[in-house]
Amino acid sequence: SQELEQSPQSLIVQEGKNLTINCTSSKTLYGLYWYKQKYGEGLIFLMMLQKGGEEKSHEKITAKLDEKKQQSSLHITASQPSHAGIYLCGADEWTGANNLFFGTGTRLTVIP
Amino acid sequence: GAGVSQSPRYKVAKRGQDVALRCDPISGHVSLFWYQQALGQGPEFLTYFQNEAQLDKSGLPSDRFFAERPEGSVSTLKIQRTQQEDSAVYLCASRRSGGGSSSYNEQFFGPGTRLTVL
Repeated sequence: SQELEQSPQSLIVQEGKNLTINCTSSKTLYGLYWYKQKYGEGLIFLMMLQKGGEEKSHEKITAKLDEKKQQSSLHITASQPSHAGIYLCGADEWTGANNLFFGTGTRLTVIP
Repeated sequence: GAGVSQSPRYKVAKRGQDVALRCDPISGHVSLFWYQQALGQGPEFLTYFQNEAQLDKSGLPSDRFFAERPEGSVSTLKIQRTQQEDSAVYLCASRRSGGGSSSYNEQFFGPGTRLTVL
């Protein structure tokens, strides 16, 4: 079965600090999706990566996909309390796949 | 509204009761997905619709779970004779495209229905 490993499982940082969350698969992925989830809310789409070596940024969040398309990282620069939540990576294994399979998530706490 | 909506947001059921969860996807979105998210876990796929056709139901955990999307818009997930292990958040997502090669699988999620079975 497909599996995505996320690390760390939880992270507590001081406001203003940088942090990185990792997502690893044992198989080559077609697309890698980063979502953020707050308690009681649905998943908010952050970014999608599809090409090996691709990097995308939005505001203070940067996501990268390695050349083999098996590992992705999400980097947050100068963290803020608004960044707190659960970050989930999701993936589809082949072009035209329908369902996404997800990692277990990384819970981020930002201390003011 | 512009996003995916789900109702009810919270549902408490006694073991053995039937429940129905509703999803209103983004208008015009062809694809609709149901996921189950247990506490502390990522969402797990249940079933997928393209318009009114249920093309994949491989993730439904038992025959107590049934989903429909009769007019290709609103969808209902029904769980019969609920069990305690059914307690989870049920997420609905929609996607603009119908899938196929070179299509992005960007899915837009609703807020979920938190089901608690006592």
